[in-house]
Amino acid sequence: DTEVTQTPKHLVMGMTNKKSLKCEQHMGHRAMYWYKQKAKKPPELMFVYSYEKLSINESVPSRFSPECPNSSLLNLHLHALQPEDSALYLCASSQVAGGENEQFFGPGTRLTVL
Amino acid sequence: GESVGLHLPTLSVQEGDNSIINCAYSNSASDYFIWYKQESGKGPQFIIDIRSNMDKRQGQRVTVLLNKTVKHLSLQIAATQPGDSAVYFCAERVETSYDKVIFGPGTSLSVIP
Repeated sequence: DTEVTQTPKHLVMGMTNKKSLKCEQHMGHRAMYWYKQKAKKPPELMFVYSYEKLSINESVPSRFSPECPNSSLLNLHLHALQPEDSALYLCASSQVAGGENEQFFGPGTRLTVL
Repeated sequence: GESVGLHLPTLSVQEGDNSIINCAYSNSASDYFIWYKQESGKGPQFIIDIRSNMDKRQGQRVTVLLNKTVKHLSLQIAATQPGDSAVYFCAERVETSYDKVIFGPGTSLSVIP
């Protein structure tokens, strides 16, 4: 199994809602990433988890809360989002953290905040 | 500041021709570079990488060239096919931020049948 899966594919939420994005991989990778991608823009790194511990937080607002319950799962909890948070949220994994380790990306969750 | 950019935001090529996608970077501390392909509705997919101690690396139908003197990276695709239509991103790893890569703005490649 060489894929990263993300659920849901699409999500529409109001500014007062609480929702979660889920990411799963079964490649035995020990690094997992969240990226945000706006339309026609490159992915922007949000968080890096290495061996289930948060190693990088790119100054992301606290309304985004990541969680890595085990080595195969990565969640992104969303609360009190703003319309400008609407974007494609991509999850990726790599064998270990470190730029030279190939990152495998999931298809993303398309989030719309109303 | 640090940035990875592209000279051409869009590129149209005839099927069978060769494609060249360019990328400029400004951080001389970048030591590793990657090209990604992102098709519509999908996440980015690794194509090829190159370390800063190399000038050229070849894969299947793709070649990456690195010119550190002018901080320029290019991706050459031979005999471009309709399936090559996608957005291509170059990305860099800055040696002081070992665990992350920074993506450039992207080039949209359209292949004309």
